Amino acid sequence: DSGVTQTPKHLITATGQRVTLRCSPRSGDLSVYWYQQSLDQGLQFLIQYYNGEERAKGNILERFSAQQFPDLHSELNLSSLELGDSALYFCASSLKDRASYGYTFGSGTRLTVV
Amino acid sequence: GQNIDQPTEMTATEGAIVQINCTYQTSGFNGLFWYQQHAGEAPTFLSYNVLDGLEEKGRFSSFLSRSKGYSYLLLKELQMKDSASYLCAVHSQTGANNLFFGTGTRLTVIP
Repeated sequence: DSGVTQTPKHLITATGQRVTLRCSPRSGDLSVYWYQQSLDQGLQFLIQYYNGEERAKGNILERFSAQQFPDLHSELNLSSLELGDSALYFCASSLKDRASYGYTFGSGTRLTVV
Repeated sequence: GQNIDQPTEMTATEGAIVQINCTYQTSGFNGLFWYQQHAGEAPTFLSYNVLDGLEEKGRFSSFLSRSKGYSYLLLKELQMKDSASYLCAVHSQTGANNLFFGTGTRLTVIP
């Protein structure tokens, strides 16, 4: 157990729907990062939050949004889902807002859009 | 932007040594990570290089040459459980301060 908790582990939904993925960072970590990993693709950075504020944004679609709450857990909202959104979504956390402190990944949420 | 290249697949024999290379182009380089990822599981941290040279940690070693934009991960005394994808990730301080991952090298260890 890495200490980063992601729920749900699996999610199957239909095109056009909206889902919310949840992440609780490791105790003491202030930064949360969201990554998307499609089949046979590398990890694509989506967005980062640090202590409740958006810190960096990567290749995140406008249909996707995220937030980090006062208790530091984060949610990634995916709307108007398309078949191509099927992927593994990983959350990672780190102590500070710099990658040099290292990331700890959660076990991921596997999203299947049918 | 960032460009990270790794071989897509490699095969090696149990007990042997394998070297997985990674070349990168980036601005604001601030370090390079190697992660291991078993199929369908979370990436797990293996090593971090910020200065040139070799970092050894048990059966795994990682090398970095910043001037050449090059790193490798060396796995010794291969075990069947080492079959996994190995991800090279560059920490860049330009723009978004986070890790940029290569597509990974899928290593298969055969008996």
